[in-house]
Amino acid sequence: AQSVAQPEDQVNVAEGNPLTVKCTYSVSGNPYLFWYVQYPNRGLQFLLKYITGDNLVKGSYGFEAEFNKSQTSFHLKKPSALVSDSALYFCAVRPMDSNYQLIWGAGTKLIIKP
Amino acid sequence: DGGITQSPKYLFRKEGQNVTLSCEQNLNHDAMYWYRQDPGQGLRLIYYSQIVNDFQKGDIAEGYSVSREKKESFPLTVTSAQKNPTAFYLCASSMSAGGFTDTQYFGPGTRLTVL
Repeated sequence: AQSVAQPEDQVNVAEGNPLTVKCTYSVSGNPYLFWYVQYPNRGLQFLLKYITGDNLVKGSYGFEAEFNKSQTSFHLKKPSALVSDSALYFCAVRPMDSNYQLIWGAGTKLIIKP
Repeated sequence: DGGITQSPKYLFRKEGQNVTLSCEQNLNHDAMYWYRQDPGQGLRLIYYSQIVNDFQKGDIAEGYSVSREKKESFPLTVTSAQKNPTAFYLCASSMSAGGFTDTQYFGPGTRLTVL
């Protein structure tokens, strides 16, 4: 079965430190990969996506993600965390054999402490 | 939240009632989607529509119904047959459902509570 895993329910980082939110996937073929952020009681906001090309993708708010095909991972990173980055982060994958379906991770709560 | 609006923001339903959640987009997108979000789970697809007057069931369509009479509107009805409807409902749209690389953009959500 095709799946997306976000292995950490919660990640705690001190403000100013680098942060990583992990995502691994298991899908057939080469997938398209997405990261979204959700603030409390709000909809999801698109951060970035990997389609093809450079494995390092840059997105909104200083976030970036690295696609690693051999490890089937797409970890979200930021060099210096802000308290305002505290939110729920979702990884999603669209398999190449699907023209609509996104497979979603369960989400990772990111807490940035001052 | 872009050009997608959802109303109401909060909705309370009594047992046995049908309720309709509104979703409108002004992005001129062809495809629209309804998701359900429960705590600790990823989003689950209820219904999606690729074009006006056409829609398909997602993974958890039982107890829900939709219509797509206009390009900009995709209302979701939660029927009394849905046994556990308390959840956060998210509407999304994308340029076209057939666009593999298209990004889905989300509305602000409706929180439905059954009393």
